[in-house]
Amino acid sequence: EVQLVESGGGLVQPGGSLRLSCAASGFTFSGHDMHWVRQATGKGLEWVSTIGTAGDTYYPGSVKGRFTISRDNAKNSLYLQMNSLRVGDTAVYYCARAGPVDTATMDVWGQGTTVTVSS
Amino acid sequence: QSVLTQPPSVSAAPGQKVTISCSGSSSNIGNNYVSWYQQFPGTAPKLLIYENNKRPSGIPDRFSGSKSGTSATLGITGLQTGDEADYYCGTWESILRAGFVRFGGGTKLTVL
Repeated sequence: EVQLVESGGGLVQPGGSLRLSCAASGFTFSGHDMHWVRQATGKGLEWVSTIGTAGDTYYPGSVKGRFTISRDNAKNSLYLQMNSLRVGDTAVYYCARAGPVDTATMDVWGQGTTVTVSS
Repeated sequence: QSVLTQPPSVSAAPGQKVTISCSGSSSNIGNNYVSWYQQFPGTAPKLLIYENNKRPSGIPDRFSGSKSGTSATLGITGLQTGDEADYYCGTWESILRAGFVRFGGGTKLTVL
């Protein structure tokens, strides 16, 4: 079964750091681009970052310089290092697998992990 | 404000057809594939349509997608109460030499 399982969410103070993990199984992890997407309560989906199979990375301006996406193909794992966290980063964070043809297609999603940034 | 524009809400009666639009520009929808996602409250999004008009295995043919120019449309026929959910369009955008994933703001479907 193709599966993505996120972990690492929790409560952190503004300015703090957190590292999210996403464990992949049931498919060839190294052969897919991977994404992080977040959703604040009652809001829409917001793209957070993408990493290609070659390790190329992409970020929106809202997190660039603060967040770092990485992958360990030997461990079938995706990571998101989040530094200088802000209250506005509070959301459910999903990892998602990119489709084989179109990078922006997210064909498998994890269940999400909740990040709360509050003092 | 999202780069891709969707109506905040649509509604129709059971058995009827509804369409949800997604409007963008030449740098996103106009030159890239569009995908659509269905999300029920408290759950992760689910891929509904990819590469403009293809359905993943298990998605009924009541769901369809199309793209024309810088706009895309999700169609749902034979509406069921179980289709009540939020729907999002998504695509890639290239600006200069940077790439971005773009989502629409989402559309809440109500089946009256």
